[in-house]
Amino acid sequence: DQQVKQNSPSLSVQEGRISILNCDYTNSMFDYFLWYKKYPAEGPTFLISISSIKDKNEDGRFTVFLNKSAKHLSLHIVPSQPGDSAVYFCAAEGGGFKTIFGAGTRLFVKA
Amino acid sequence: NAGVMQNPRHLVRRRGQEARLRCSPMKGHSHVYWYRQLPEEGLKFMVYLQKENIIDESGMPKERFSAEFPKEGPSILRIQQVVRGDSAAYFCASSTFGETQYFGPGTRLLVL
Repeated sequence: DQQVKQNSPSLSVQEGRISILNCDYTNSMFDYFLWYKKYPAEGPTFLISISSIKDKNEDGRFTVFLNKSAKHLSLHIVPSQPGDSAVYFCAAEGGGFKTIFGAGTRLFVKA
Repeated sequence: NAGVMQNPRHLVRRRGQEARLRCSPMKGHSHVYWYRQLPEEGLKFMVYLQKENIIDESGMPKERFSAEFPKEGPSILRIQQVVRGDSAAYFCASSTFGETQYFGPGTRLLVL
């Protein structure tokens, strides 16, 4: 039962260009969404979040967009840097105590 | 301000042995979450605990797995009679109520 889906297992982007990571969800009870970044051999670190009352949240180079009608969110990184190369997890909360994570998208930023 | 601590970082067990994974939350955090990550998969919720209480264990396998978060000391995830399929990375996260979860570095369990 995949309530949060990240359909692209990997993404490769040139340094300086925009990275767009996508996430879809199925549960309409979700009202809070998060992106985490994970380097190998480390735990995930919180990156940015968005409440369902908003459709955009921006923090420096990172912007998250939420389209509630489409049950879709995306993370934009611009400009992309080699240090952004990591696995990015989309996560959703709402209707309970659990945070539901997607399978992750591995981002490669080429110098 | 120390982050979430997990130990051991790596744990090797033979089939049938017990595995004990420890998690010390960030200072001031009284909520602990355990997640499991199988190879090439995302993080799967296992259990959510507050001090001395299990709040949600809907992600825990029905047998062999248990978790506790005592009044004093770290949270413990215990896996009895481990099998090869238990090999995974186990992450702990902590938070204050309703706030962002902060993750530890994980324990990588390998069952031979």
